[in-house]
Amino acid sequence: EADIYQTPRYLVIGTGKKITLECSQTMGHDKMYWYQQDPGMELHLIHYSYGVNSTEKGDLSSESTVSRIRTEHFPLTLESARPSHTSQYLCASTSTTFLPEKLFFGSGTQLSVL
Amino acid sequence: TQLLEQSPQFLSIQEGENLTVYCNSSSVFSSLQWYRQEPGEGPVLLVTVVTGGEVKKLKRLTFQFGDARKDSSLHITAAQPGDTGLYLCAGAGANSKLTFGKGITLSVRP
Repeated sequence: EADIYQTPRYLVIGTGKKITLECSQTMGHDKMYWYQQDPGMELHLIHYSYGVNSTEKGDLSSESTVSRIRTEHFPLTLESARPSHTSQYLCASTSTTFLPEKLFFGSGTQLSVL
Repeated sequence: TQLLEQSPQFLSIQEGENLTVYCNSSSVFSSLQWYRQEPGEGPVLLVTVVTGGEVKKLKRLTFQFGDARKDSSLHITAAQPGDTGLYLCAGAGANSKLTFGKGITLSVRP
């Protein structure tokens, strides 16, 4: 059973608000990821981190930002939410020691921006 | 860009039936994974296949990696309502980054 947690599970907010989606894992994994998932579409990687103080943008351009100050914590922030940000956001983690790599996902945050 | 095509996109079957779904690409992958995602949850890894032609079984689920490591199939024997979910395949390229398909939505009716 995966020990990776995302909060909130659901979020409905108005345009222009600043939001932070939380993701924490207790498995000591060095790699963490944020994916965006929309119905009928591929999971798109928006951010990833290979360790503390290391963050990179993924394949899908995103206006969000991330930080990795602690190994277990990888929050995602939107400074000014817009309706186009409405989506399911999935956080995942893995360890460099897993070969091939296998991802452990959180339950996701369903974000709706009105 | 490596693309993974999954088919069919939707499948609704009766409990007890057998089914096979596919994950195809024109690219070669070093490994390929299948995940199942239930409503309101994140994907959960079912299997990883690495060697061309490899077959792995997980209870009633049989996974096969194509000889050329470009495609994979998932066969479910005697499907049950608990098999309902979104099935995602993901291929690992040379840089180990995963590319996901759009998924197959399976509904098994009691």
